[in-house]
Amino acid sequence: EVQLLESGGDLVQPGGSLRLSCAASGFSFGGYAINWVRQAPGKGLQWVSSISGSGATTYYADSVRGRFTISRDNSRNTLYLQMNSLRAEDTAFYYCAKGSRGYSNFYIDSWGQGTLVTVSS
Amino acid sequence: EIVLTQSPGTLSMSPGEAVTLSCGASQSVASGFLAWYQQKPGQAPRLLIYGASSRATGIPDRFSGSGSGTDFTLTISTLEPEDSAVYYCQQYGSSPFTFGGGTKVEIK
Repeated sequence: EVQLLESGGDLVQPGGSLRLSCAASGFSFGGYAINWVRQAPGKGLQWVSSISGSGATTYYADSVRGRFTISRDNSRNTLYLQMNSLRAEDTAFYYCAKGSRGYSNFYIDSWGQGTLVTVSS
Repeated sequence: EIVLTQSPGTLSMSPGEAVTLSCGASQSVASGFLAWYQQKPGQAPRLLIYGASSRATGIPDRFSGSGSGTDFTLTISTLEPEDSAVYYCQQYGSSPFTFGGGTKVEIK
């Protein structure tokens, strides 16, 4: 069974930094792209970033490019999202979501339960 | 960036009725790389449909997807009470892999 467990969500001040982690199990981690998708409370889904199975290719939404960095450690079956220069509009639940294949044109076939990031002074 | 527009915003239907949800794209979605997800309150989303028309594992056959290019549809043939949820489309043909704004389905 695929399991994705996010951690690292917290209350942080505007301009601050935070690193999210996603521990994966139940599948061959390095063979699949992984995504971060966020959802502000009461709002819709917003794709944030994706990384290929090898880690060689990354993708970002314009709203986070240059501030967020996605990475993965395939030896630890763990995905990361380093978030810098945080803004109030980054407040959301952040979901780790497994892609259907290792690279290009992957849909999301499994989701974690999310971790809450709150950016406020 | 491909903008996905879902309609209607909210739908209120009775059990047993057929429901049609629309997802329109601002540009053609390559090779029908469009997925549909269901999200119930307090839960993570769940994959329903991928490749515009392929049902995900374990999804009841009352859910079906169709469409190509810029116009896509999710149909629930016979609405069940447990189908009360928000439904999202997402294109995964080109980055950024955008989501639609969602359609909320309410059960009368």
